[in-house]
Amino acid sequence: DAKTTQPPSMDCAEGRAANLPCNHSTISGNEYVYWYRQIHSQGPQYIIHGLKNNETNEMASLIITEDRKSSTLILPHATLRDTAVYYCIVRVRNQGGKLIFGQGTELSVKP
Amino acid sequence: KAGVTQTPRYLIKTRGQQVTLSCSPISGHRSVSWYQQTPGQGLQFLFEYFSETQRNKGNFPGRFSGRQFSNSRSEMNVSTLELGDSALYLCASSLAPGAPTEAFFGQGTRLTVV
Repeated sequence: DAKTTQPPSMDCAEGRAANLPCNHSTISGNEYVYWYRQIHSQGPQYIIHGLKNNETNEMASLIITEDRKSSTLILPHATLRDTAVYYCIVRVRNQGGKLIFGQGTELSVKP
Repeated sequence: KAGVTQTPRYLIKTRGQQVTLSCSPISGHRSVSWYQQTPGQGLQFLFEYFSETQRNKGNFPGRFSGRQFSNSRSEMNVSTLELGDSALYLCASSLAPGAPTEAFFGQGTRLTVV
């Protein structure tokens, strides 16, 4: 079973920041937080991952709370092309390619 | 650098038949994982191969099998197809197990069983 809880859907206005929350209250010390997204009928796309520090890349920022029980993915300037299902996943580093997907959050970016 | 390539993209099979799907990982990636995606069950892990050995297996019946070749390319096979096997089958490649590296997914094979 997925170890994360995400809201099923969210809306965001184009050009605004999209903040997608994820709860992972049972996360272990050696588990990383990963974010993927899936645009309709395509393969999931890796976005970002982190252990305990906040992370930023060209796509997004990941904010992990100090107790690591929750995190937020931030898309700073959402565009219509960011409309997708966003998955938050926790996994240990030696779990290889095994990802346990939950239901994710369906983000709709509206003009 | 080429991405993960899955073939074929679309497939229609009849109940009872068997099917083989192919996945070519990103060059240099040695780990290949397979997933099934259906509207009802979402994305579910099938199995993972590394160095031609199955490392992890999800909760699927024995009709689902896979293998990996020395060049890291992988195939998955589903025998005695059932209507419920209709799904998007996704393959992901990563460098190797044991490191927190990201997995890259292919575009998937859409299998329809009639």
